Amino acid sequence: DVKVTQSSRYLVKRTGEKVFLECVQDMDHENMFWYRQDPGLGLRLIYFSYDVKMKEKGDIPEGYSVSREKKERFSLILESASTNQTSMYLCASSLDWDRGGRYGYTFGSGTRLTVV
Amino acid sequence: DQQVKQNSPSLSVQEGRISILNCDYTNSMFDYFLWYKKYPAEGPTFLISISSIKDKNEDGRFTVFLNKSAKHLSLHIVPSQPGDSAVYFCAASAKGTYKYIFGTGTRLKVLA
Repeated sequence: DVKVTQSSRYLVKRTGEKVFLECVQDMDHENMFWYRQDPGLGLRLIYFSYDVKMKEKGDIPEGYSVSREKKERFSLILESASTNQTSMYLCASSLDWDRGGRYGYTFGSGTRLTVV
Repeated sequence: DQQVKQNSPSLSVQEGRISILNCDYTNSMFDYFLWYKKYPAEGPTFLISISSIKDKNEDGRFTVFLNKSAKHLSLHIVPSQPGDSAVYFCAASAKGTYKYIFGTGTRLKVLA
């Protein structure tokens, strides 16, 4: 089974802290994504990467950056955490061709981040 | 600009009855659609998909219908079971892109 592992299930951070969310996938997928899920807003794309060291902004990149130094690992960085970044963060991966094939993305279990 | 819309934030259905979840889209370039199911504190998991060359796809209790002219798809669950209680997201993608656009989700509650 494809696995996408997010290092933390729950995190509590203080306003102004630099926060790292880590995601690792074990199926050699080219594409990796970071989404946040908020009630009434669904899943919104923050950043994605289609290759090592390549990244593209999604719909809501402000306040975030990403790093992809190795194919299997995609990190989301909150440069200076703010309370409006309290959310569920979901990492996903997919194969390069045909939008991930029949099954689209494989998601991790999510990280619930609370910024106080 | 919400390209994929799920206008019903929640739905309650009696066990054994049919659940119908709806999704509308605006981008005529979308040609592949997915439904994901999400339990609390878990990531979304793939449920069923449909290509724009079809108007129906069935997998056990789950059937997805696509009406291209209306830019509308629906997910039917028959019969509904309490374990189906979750948030359901539809997602759409256009050929040549890497990413899916997700709807806002519908929370389904199946009452025993």
